[in-house]
Amino acid sequence: AQKVTQAQTEISVVEKEDVTLDCVYETRDTTYYLFWYKQPPSGELVFLIRRNSFDEQNEISGRYSWNFQKSTSSFNFTITASQVVDSAVYFCALSEARGAQKLVFGQGTRLTINP
Amino acid sequence: DSGVTQTPKHLITATGQRVTLRCSPRSGDLSVYWYQQSLDQGLQFLIQYYNGEERAKGNILERFSAQQFPDLHSELNLSSLELGDSALYFCASSFGTGKSEQYFGPGTRLTVT
Repeated sequence: AQKVTQAQTEISVVEKEDVTLDCVYETRDTTYYLFWYKQPPSGELVFLIRRNSFDEQNEISGRYSWNFQKSTSSFNFTITASQVVDSAVYFCALSEARGAQKLVFGQGTRLTINP
Repeated sequence: DSGVTQTPKHLITATGQRVTLRCSPRSGDLSVYWYQQSLDQGLQFLIQYYNGEERAKGNILERFSAQQFPDLHSELNLSSLELGDSALYFCASSFGTGKSEQYFGPGTRLTVT
């Protein structure tokens, strides 16, 4: 069975600090996808990134970066120079590469950026 | 704006009632997924449709059903509602069932009193 664990329930930092959100996953599939979604206070789920299990290259998008390490089954998310607008609940998710591709979500990390 | 629309945004109803949640996928997307977000269960997959056919089922109660119509919009029907069904219900869509990411609608917040 697939499982995603986000051990950090809540994180609070001061604006401009860097912050890393941890994600550890379990799957028996050799091919799978990993995702991060953002849920701001308004409630919608915003897609941030999708990563194929074959691609272990780190990715950077502006202030966001993702570190995928297959050896430790982790897919961590770092926000550099955090801003108040980054305050949200962040979800890590996993799906199989074949079949229905339903998303299995972690419990989420509530990130609060204080001014 | 993801391009996925859901109506209504909020719904308040009583126990034992039946409600229908509606979802219109992004233009060109063939797959529709339904998820439930509750405080105790988190975000859970309910059911998926692809081009009108049911493709996968998750932890969906027998009191819940869904369908996808020829114009690709989908409806989630919840019946014999219980207090525990109060949750945020999300619809997501993707182009296929293969390598496409899922884009989520704004959700329908259901409150059962």
